[in-house]
Amino acid sequence: AQRVTQPEKLLSVFKGAPVELKCNYSYSGSPELFWYVQYSRQRLQLLLRHISRESIKGFTADLNKGETSFHLKKPFAQEEDSAMYYCALKKGSARQLTFGSGTQLTVLP
Amino acid sequence: GAVVSQHPSWVICKSGTSVKIECRSLDFQATTMFWYRQFPKQSLMLMATSNEGSKATYEQGVEKDKFLINHASLTLSTLTVTSAHPEDSSFYICSARDIGRGEHYGYTFGSGTRLTVV
Repeated sequence: AQRVTQPEKLLSVFKGAPVELKCNYSYSGSPELFWYVQYSRQRLQLLLRHISRESIKGFTADLNKGETSFHLKKPFAQEEDSAMYYCALKKGSARQLTFGSGTQLTVLP
Repeated sequence: GAVVSQHPSWVICKSGTSVKIECRSLDFQATTMFWYRQFPKQSLMLMATSNEGSKATYEQGVEKDKFLINHASLTLSTLTVTSAHPEDSSFYICSARDIGRGEHYGYTFGSGTRLTVV
């Protein structure tokens, strides 16, 4: 069965510092990977997906199949980036997502 | 675009009663919707996949008779928690994907329903 691991439950960085939120997955096939963000008192929303290789709000994530990782990175964190971040995997033709346990990012002033 | 509306936002009910939660796709049709449960400071756990016009597919360990799902139209899925008990208190979230936006588009989530059973 597929699995998504986010090893850090909490992560704090200072404003302007680089940030990396780790995500590892286990799945034997070709997965689709996503990062979702949940700001305080707001609904979960898509941040980015690996298939589009985009940069949203300064965040990027590269799928590393060798390391089975999809880490989320931003070179200069901002206070407004403070939120809960979830890594999610969709396997093959499946319709549902499997979520990691989430990482609460706090960007300190 | 791709907005999912979920109601109610919160509900308090007495133990033994039933509660219905609605999930609507406002600007797209969703043949499939998903129901998640989220405990405090934990991840989203998929409960079931709701299929328009057919039976829902439940994840292992989720009681079908307790969590009734109806997906009668392309824009509405409902989750009814029957004979609710305090241990059913949780945050329930629905999700759908607008296939019309492309196969690899992300999923849209409702704002969630906080259920408290007293």
